[in-house]
Amino acid sequence: GAGVSQSPRYKVAKRGQDVALRCDPISGHVSLFWYQQALGQGPEFLTYFQNEAQLDKSGLPSDRFFAERPEGSVSTLKIQRTQQEDSAVYLCASSPTGSPLHFGNGTRLTVT
Amino acid sequence: AQKVTQAQTEISVVEKEDVTLDCVYETRDTTYYLFWYKQPPSGELVFLIRRNSFDEQNEISGRYSWNFQKSTSSFNFTITASQVVDSAVYFCALSEASFDSNYQLIWGAGTKLIIKP
Repeated sequence: GAGVSQSPRYKVAKRGQDVALRCDPISGHVSLFWYQQALGQGPEFLTYFQNEAQLDKSGLPSDRFFAERPEGSVSTLKIQRTQQEDSAVYLCASSPTGSPLHFGNGTRLTVT
Repeated sequence: AQKVTQAQTEISVVEKEDVTLDCVYETRDTTYYLFWYKQPPSGELVFLIRRNSFDEQNEISGRYSWNFQKSTSSFNFTITASQVVDSAVYFCALSEASFDSNYQLIWGAGTKLIIKP
C-alpha cells in the first residue's frame, strides 16, 4: 500500500505499562508528525520530524512520552508508565515539506 | 493567540440538500494557511483544501466549495447536493508557519455531518 501505515490499530494497556506505537510513513516523505486526538476533539500536535531530526517536541504532554525516527523513515511513539488520561487515538501523518499531510488510520490506545 | 472555532458540533441533513460548515479563525499574523480535512468513520484524516491568506478567491471542486472571507475571518465549506458518502467529521485548521505550512496546525473541534438517505 502507498499510504501511511500505523500499528497496532488498537492497543489496550494496563495502567503503568509501557507501549510503543509504530508509524510507517509514505516512502520519501521528509516531514512526519504525531498527533493525539481525544474523543470528539480535533487532533493536538505532539511532535514533528524532518527526516531523522526531531525539530519540535513541545506538544508531548510529559516526559513519559518519547518519539524517535532514527533512520528518517519509520517512527515510534513510546509512552512509559501509561495513565488513563493517555487514552486517545494517536495519529501519524507524513508529507513532503509543505505539501498536504497524509494521515494513517491511527492507533486507538485504551488504558485500563 | 491562534484559534479555530467550528461552532456547529453536529449537522444532520437529508441527502441532496446543500449544507454549509462554518469555520471562524483568529490570528495576528498576516501570512497564514487555512485547511479543511475530512475524517470518515475509518479514522483517516483526508486533506480537502489548503488556502493561503493572500488568496481570497473562492474555490469550487465538484460538489465542494469554499468561501474565504478575511473581513470576517471565516473559511466556510459548502457541500452541494449532499450524498450519504459525505457523512464524516470535518475539521478546519490554521497554520502560521512559513517554512512548512503543516507545522503547528491549530485544529477546530470538528463538525460531525450526518447525511440521511
